[in-house]
Amino acid sequence: ETGVTQTPRHLVMGMTNKKSLKCEQHLGHNAMYWYKQSAKKPLELMFVYNFKEQTENNSVPSRFSPECPNSSHLFLHLHTLQPEDSALYLCASSQDGATGDTQYFGPGTRLTVL
Amino acid sequence: DAKTTQPPSMDCAEGRAANLPCNHSTISGNEYVYWYRQIHSQGPQYIIHGLKNNETNEMASLIITEDRKSSTLILPHATLRDTAVYYCIVRANNDMRFGAGTRLTVKP
Repeated sequence: ETGVTQTPRHLVMGMTNKKSLKCEQHLGHNAMYWYKQSAKKPLELMFVYNFKEQTENNSVPSRFSPECPNSSHLFLHLHTLQPEDSALYLCASSQDGATGDTQYFGPGTRLTVL
Repeated sequence: DAKTTQPPSMDCAEGRAANLPCNHSTISGNEYVYWYRQIHSQGPQYIIHGLKNNETNEMASLIITEDRKSSTLILPHATLRDTAVYYCIVRANNDMRFGAGTRLTVKP
């Protein structure tokens, strides 16, 4: 699957580190999403970008900072994270963020916070 | 979004059809039924979706009851690589709310 790529695939960081997750979509879509998937918990929507504008922020702590420089790229900047932030972080994209729009997911970044 | 109910696990013999049920009795008229699957530690993979009519693509068929309160995902000829957690989701907005899903194990 090369439609949505994410780097790195695995990341281990300390609580005082600053790191960034990168997502790139090659599908010509205009909407991009960040999700968090913790062990034994359902997928949680974090942020939505539509045509580079943030349209949803689901009460995500400020230690997670998204950036969408263009419709093909999405970043998640991380700083002063907590061990409970360890999870699989998934990026997705869809045509234009419309209701019922099919979302396509990347492989995810497995994040471990020590 | 409406809540869905799926059996926690199912087994299927390789080469046979796998029929995965989903109940969504509180579905609203504008909510679509989506199916995704997730192989361990990978991103969810889109399978199929529908609103009212039955749908078929190269991966699977989706059968939605006339009252839309339940649906069945059919993998016509299951292979070992179809072993995964299958999620049924009903949604009308951008929030993809995955439940616990059904863990399908395809056995030789």
